[in-house]
Amino acid sequence: GQQLNQSPQSMFIQEGEDVSMNCTSSSIFNTWLWYKQDPGEGPVLLIALYKAGELTSNGRLTAQFGITRKDSFLNISASIPSDVGIYFCAGQVAGGTSYGKLTFGQGTILTVHP
Amino acid sequence: NAGVTQTPKFQVLKTGQSMTLQCAQDMNHEYMSWYRQDPGMGLRLIHYSVGAGITDQGEVPNGYNVSRSTTEDFPLRLLSAAPSQTSVYFCASSYSPPSRGSFQPQHFGDGTRLSIL
Repeated sequence: GQQLNQSPQSMFIQEGEDVSMNCTSSSIFNTWLWYKQDPGEGPVLLIALYKAGELTSNGRLTAQFGITRKDSFLNISASIPSDVGIYFCAGQVAGGTSYGKLTFGQGTILTVHP
Repeated sequence: NAGVTQTPKFQVLKTGQSMTLQCAQDMNHEYMSWYRQDPGMGLRLIHYSVGAGITDQGEVPNGYNVSRSTTEDFPLRLLSAAPSQTSVYFCASSYSPPSRGSFQPQHFGDGTRLSIL
């Protein structure tokens, strides 16, 4: 099946620092998604990307769909304590028998020190 | 608006027992899915449904059954629980399945934490 490699696995940063994480795939995706999960809750969608090269922002978050369609990154600027959580990338492989299926990365655990 | 509701929130089972994890949504979403979340492995798709009466297997379907008799409900059944099925289970729904250029955001429930002894 499809493999998504997400890095780094964890990050410990100071409040105010910028954060960058990325995902790479062995397959071409036609949709990339970034989710955040708070403790004890389900993931919440942050950003959705639909086209190769697309750069999309949501407040302090910026994500890009790689031009090869095999990678994506998420940046968080000026981190704050409430950014703490697990961030997941997810993607959908184009068409065919993969219709309706999302593949998730392993997650990046973000800790922000005040 | 309740969104996606999962019950129970916690459950402990003995090996070999069976149980059903419930998932209900009140948003008239066609697409529903079940994931399991294990440390260091992200979320893995177990089964999904693109509408009432239609289900299909995901990445890790073995040991699990699903049915979709109504739009609102998508129960996940463990036929004979095994310790390897200890995990956190998430149900998700969206108006339509992930598709090219028109992804409808999935709404996740808060999860069921299942331990198999």
